[in-house]
Amino acid sequence: NAGVMQNPRHLVRRRGQEARLRCSPMKGHSHVYWYRQLPEEGLKFMVYLQKENIIDESGMPKERFSAEFPKEGPSILRIQQVVRGDSAAYFCASSRGQGNNEQFFGPGTRLTVL
Amino acid sequence: DAKTTQPNSMESNEEEPVHLPCNHSTISGTDYIHWYRQLPSQGPEYVIHGLTSNVNNRMASLAIAEDRKSSTLILHRATLRDAAVYYCIHLTTSGTYKYIFGTGTRLKVLA
Repeated sequence: NAGVMQNPRHLVRRRGQEARLRCSPMKGHSHVYWYRQLPEEGLKFMVYLQKENIIDESGMPKERFSAEFPKEGPSILRIQQVVRGDSAAYFCASSRGQGNNEQFFGPGTRLTVL
Repeated sequence: DAKTTQPNSMESNEEEPVHLPCNHSTISGTDYIHWYRQLPSQGPEYVIHGLTSNVNNRMASLAIAEDRKSSTLILHRATLRDAAVYYCIHLTTSGTYKYIFGTGTRLKVLA
């Protein structure tokens, strides 16, 4: 059973470009979470999605960031007009359901903005 | 947001037990305590979780204080592969079940 998959593992963008990060949850998991980790810091929650629905986006910046989890295909975290401060590791996690369910994390995408 | 406090770093000798403490003084009766660890350049990995009773699994044990305001993760015999940042997460059952990570404890294991 494959774990959570994220791609690309490393992404380099110039200021003003768009970044698209993909996350495929574990088989049978319909809940996806995105977290951001700045260097030497803990993970910060960004958004929680179920298929075709955003459940909690309280950690998402108000501008330039969006997320989706379509009926078919991976979850996408999209960052428009990237700035240097967006450079971070972005982790996706999935779970079977809500509540006290263990979240399984992917290996992360390391975004570098030049 | 639910908050936990942990020491920034700890050291242990290889093959010895390690006790990693965590304070979660704002915890309510139905909130769970989850522990994850993050090895360098990897995503967090689940270690253990509990509610009231002490818990054991193949990776570790979790001792929860009677008042539930603190807990201790116990690694029975530390190995070099256990060197990681350990996060204690207070999973609140109000609202959505998102993890609120603190800064964690960086465990260094000495050979």
